This record gives sequence, structure tokens and C-alpha cells, in this order.
Amino acid sequence: LAKTTQPISMDSYEGQEVNITCSHNNIATNDYITWYQQFPSQGPRFIIQGYKTKVTNEVASLFIPADRKSSTLSLPRVSLSDTAVYYCLVGAFYNQGGKLIFGQGTELSVKP
Amino acid sequence: KAGVTQTPRYLIKTRGQQVTLSCSPISGHRSVSWYQQTPGQGLQFLFEYFSETQRNKGNFPGRFSGRQFSNSRSEMNVSTLELGDSALYLCASSLGLAGVTDTQYFGPGTRLTVL
Repeated sequence: LAKTTQPISMDSYEGQEVNITCSHNNIATNDYITWYQQFPSQGPRFIIQGYKTKVTNEVASLFIPADRKSSTLSLPRVSLSDTAVYYCLVGAFYNQGGKLIFGQGTELSVKP
Repeated sequence: KAGVTQTPRYLIKTRGQQVTLSCSPISGHRSVSWYQQTPGQGLQFLFEYFSETQRNKGNFPGRFSGRQFSNSRSEMNVSTLELGDSALYLCASSLGLAGVTDTQYFGPGTRLTVL
């Protein structure tokens, strides 16, 4: 199973771009990288998923270098409502024994 | 498309009682998984159901059980409640395919408080 390492916390200000990097040195060839966002007392919300290079959707971008040993979630122009915990997950649901393994996540605090 | 729904959203029980939580997956999703989230342990996997069968199981005692119905709706039951069972219980659904990109979508959770 690919273990992930993320910063425990990050601070930012409204309007800034935030980049959260996740390390996953043991990523397997067929592993995808998925990011979730979680607000207090709510379920994690799927943000973005990718395999290599760059993926962009209406919420965020995901940058994955060629060696795939890390990935960076980029949130453009954050607002106060982006204050949440962000989880990086590596591996397919069924390749991990039919479950998702969540690490500590990164607690992002956006200030006015 | 409606998301994953969970009922009730909040629940207060006393030690020794039992509780049943309900989860309705996204339409078309056949896999339903349950997770427990606590401040100390984080998000932990309980079990997964697919086509009315428990397909995967986490490391929780037998007091935690579940089932899935033919319409893919799922229920989770906790018997003989303990104080340590106080947690946010999350349900997630997915297509249930064995592909690498089968994404799980979570419901809002049920907050269980055991007194």
C-alpha cells in the first residue's frame, strides 16, 4: 500500500493560490491519486483525481511529475470557505482491499 | 443526480443500547462502505457491501454489523453501545467496479453520541 505524507497544517489568505504537496514514494504503476476535502462534521468531498501530468476541473488542479512520487493540489484564489482538511489518497479502492485509507490530512486555514 | 444520503443526521443513545443507521447511495451505485471517524483515530473503514453481500471488512468488533438491500440501500447496526462508539459515521457509495478509478462519494454522516 502506498503511504502518503502531507503537511499537517497550512495557512493562507483570501485570494491567494494554495499548493498542497503530497509525497507517495511507493506508488504502484496502476495507482491513481485522489484528493478529498472535508469540512467539520461532514463527509469527505471528492475534489480531483489523476494519474500523471496535470488534471484540472472547476475547483482545483492536480500536478503530478513524471516519476509520480509526489503530487500537488492547487487551489486558485482561495476564500474563507476553503478552510477545511484536505486528504491525499493513493491507490485504487479495490487494490487496497476494498477500502480507502485516509492519513492525517492537511488542515488548511484561510484568513481574511 | 442526488448524492449519498444518511439518516438520521444526529443521534443520542445511552450505553448498552443499540442503534441502526441508514444510507442511501447514489442512484446506480452498487457498493456501499461504512467508515467511523473520531478525533483520535481519524477515518477508519468498517465494512463494504456489494450486491447485498459483505465484500470487505475492517477491524471492528462483532457489535458492528451491516446489511444491504436489493435497492443498494444499506443499514449499519451497533449493539451494546459503549462510550467509545461516539463518532461520526460516514457512508460512501461507488459503482463497485474493480477498476482503478472507481471513486467513492461520501454522505454527510450521522453524528452518534453515546452517554
